[in-house]
Amino acid sequence: NAGVTQTPKFQVLKTGQSMTLQCAQDMNHEYMSWYRQDPGMGLRLIHYSVGAGITDQGEVPNGYNVSRSTTEDFPLRLLSAAPSQTSVYFCASSPGKADYGYTFGSGTRLTVV
Amino acid sequence: EDQVTQSPEALRLQEGESSSLNCSYTVSGLRGLFWYRQDPGKGPEFLFTLYSAGEEKEKERLKATLTKKESFLHITAPKPEDSATYLCAVNTGNQFYFGTGTSLTVIP
Repeated sequence: NAGVTQTPKFQVLKTGQSMTLQCAQDMNHEYMSWYRQDPGMGLRLIHYSVGAGITDQGEVPNGYNVSRSTTEDFPLRLLSAAPSQTSVYFCASSPGKADYGYTFGSGTRLTVV
Repeated sequence: EDQVTQSPEALRLQEGESSSLNCSYTVSGLRGLFWYRQDPGKGPEFLFTLYSAGEEKEKERLKATLTKKESFLHITAPKPEDSATYLCAVNTGNQFYFGTGTSLTVIP
């Protein structure tokens, strides 16, 4: 059982470039979310999805897009990378939105230069 | 404003020296408080969920407790392998709010 798989593990982008962070889970979880983690700040929610075809914004959605075409996959797209998006990104899933602990992926460390 | 504060930011313990980590919160409508462990370079790993004041959960050397305004993670006789960052998060029904964590180092 792989759990939550994120790719790539590391990425360097130039300002203005776009890219997609991949996230896949094999636990048939309905709820998936993307967080960013920055030094001195807690994990902050970017976008989340409560099921295939349904997405919503979190606390810090600007500059990011998501889609959920299948239960398994929840990619995060950076439209035009900025240095402020340098961070560690985590994808997480759970059986439901509330009341359950998340299963997190191992993260993608993104640097925008 | 919903807020989660963890203290201390960092804690160094000798092996076997018990202590507690604190997570205080001010949220409108708590639907659950979660504790996670995070090792360097890895994603957080779920430890406990607490739902109501007075509730306690235990796992090996860890015990989590909850009051109406805070939660404690008690570590009894810690070992070096307990070294990690411990995160708490609260669920308000609409969002999870994470604290910034307590970095625990257990010295042999």
